[in-house]
Amino acid sequence: AQSVAQPEDQVNVAEGNPLTVKCTYSVSGNPYLFWYVQYPNRGLQFLLKYITGDNLVKGSYGFEAEFNKSQTSFHLKKPSALVSDSALYFCAVRVPSLTGGGNKLTFGTGTQLKVEL
Amino acid sequence: NAGVTQTPKFQVLKTGQSMTLQCAQDMNHEYMSWYRQDPGMGLRLIHYSVGAGITDQGEVPNGYNVSRSTTEDFPLRLLSAAPSQTSVYFCASSYYSSGITYEQYFGPGTRLTVT
Repeated sequence: AQSVAQPEDQVNVAEGNPLTVKCTYSVSGNPYLFWYVQYPNRGLQFLLKYITGDNLVKGSYGFEAEFNKSQTSFHLKKPSALVSDSALYFCAVRVPSLTGGGNKLTFGTGTQLKVEL
Repeated sequence: NAGVTQTPKFQVLKTGQSMTLQCAQDMNHEYMSWYRQDPGMGLRLIHYSVGAGITDQGEVPNGYNVSRSTTEDFPLRLLSAAPSQTSVYFCASSYYSSGITYEQYFGPGTRLTVT
C-alpha cells in the first residue's frame, strides 16, 4: 500500500520569507511524486512533479521541491513567499505499474499555507 | 481548450434521490477519475477509467456508479443519495500511456449536499 503524510495542517509565514511545506511518503517501488495547490472554491492545480532525474524539481509560480529518497520526503519550497501563495497544498504519490490498475494517485490530507504581510 | 468541465456546480438532494454528476474533458486524455474531498481527509478516489469501456473501483466506490462510453465523458451516478455522500466532488483527467498516468488536470468541482 502507498501512503502520503503531510504532518502540518497549517503553515504560517511572513511575506518575503522562505516557506517549506512538508511531505513524506511510503511506497513499495519507485514513486512518482506530485504537488498540487487548491485556491478557495476551485479545483486542484498541478504545481510540479518528480519522476526521475535531478532531485530538485522546479515548478509553477516559483515553487520547487526536493526529492530525498533516504528520508522518503518531497518537501515543497519557495525562496520568498507571497500573500497570493496562501492556499491549500496537497502532496500526492503514485507507483507506476505496467500491470495496469490505473496507477492510483494517493493524496495527503493537505496543508493550509497562510502568508501574512 | 476548456480543460475539464463539471456540472452542476452545486446540488442539494434529499435522502434516497438519485442524480448524475457530469464530467467532460477536451484534452483527449484516456485516464479519467472521480474524487471526493472531505475536510481533514484529503481527496479519496471513487472510480477511475483508463479508456472508453473500461472502469474500475477506487478507494470509496460504494453508492456510486460510473460508465465511460466516450473518451470525453465520465459521468458519476449516485444511486440513492445518503447524508454521508455530502461532499465536494472532483473529476480529473490525465495522459495515460503504457500503463502509466501522469499529472492530473482537475475540474472546478461539484458541491453536493444531501439532506
